[in-house]
Amino acid sequence: DARVTQTPRDKVTEMGQEVTMRCQPILGHNTVFWYRQTMMQGLELLAYFRNRAPLDDSGMPKDRFSAEMPDATLATLKIQPSEPRDSAVYFCASGLALGQGSAYNEQFFGPGTRLTVL
Amino acid sequence: KNQVEQSPQSLIILEGKNCTLQCNYTVSPFSNLRWYKQDTGRGPVSLTIMTFSENTKSNGRYTATLDADTKQSSLHITASQLSDSASYICVVSANQAGTALIFGKGTTLSVSS
Repeated sequence: DARVTQTPRDKVTEMGQEVTMRCQPILGHNTVFWYRQTMMQGLELLAYFRNRAPLDDSGMPKDRFSAEMPDATLATLKIQPSEPRDSAVYFCASGLALGQGSAYNEQFFGPGTRLTVL
Repeated sequence: KNQVEQSPQSLIILEGKNCTLQCNYTVSPFSNLRWYKQDTGRGPVSLTIMTFSENTKSNGRYTATLDADTKQSSLHITASQLSDSASYICVVSANQAGTALIFGKGTTLSVSS
């Protein structure tokens, strides 16, 4: 049963500390998305990778957030330094983009990382 | 401004009853509309995806409708079960790649016995 995995599932840290969240996309998928979910804002897209290349990270605060895909099986989202306002659930999703002719591209979400910054 | 509005914000129904959730959007351009189910503590799971030319799509007891003229969509749940208790999120995509997604805040459904 192929699924997106994320680690850690829960992270509590103090303000100013570095946080790294990891995602393993479904094998064979070529797109990876990072989302943040809060009660106030709902789901927000932070970054998007296609074939490991970052295509859109306009939703991400660039001064402290960075997203990378060191290889096809690993995507990382790093926050340095973390702040209390970063407390949220961070989701990774992966999908298979079939090219311009596709009607739509399905995304499969991981279970999320619940981050609490004290 | 691109927006997706969902109503009601929350809903409580008895097991076995039907219910309908609403989604109104002002998104341009429009590529497709998605409904997701999110159980507490888990990631969203896709229920349906509809493009401009589709006005209804079913997935088991879930039926989504789309009226692209009035920019409204609904999700109808038939014969509700306790496992239907979740948040239902309407998402409109402004491009085919799915990178321009506008999310609704969701409707929280509670099904009681």
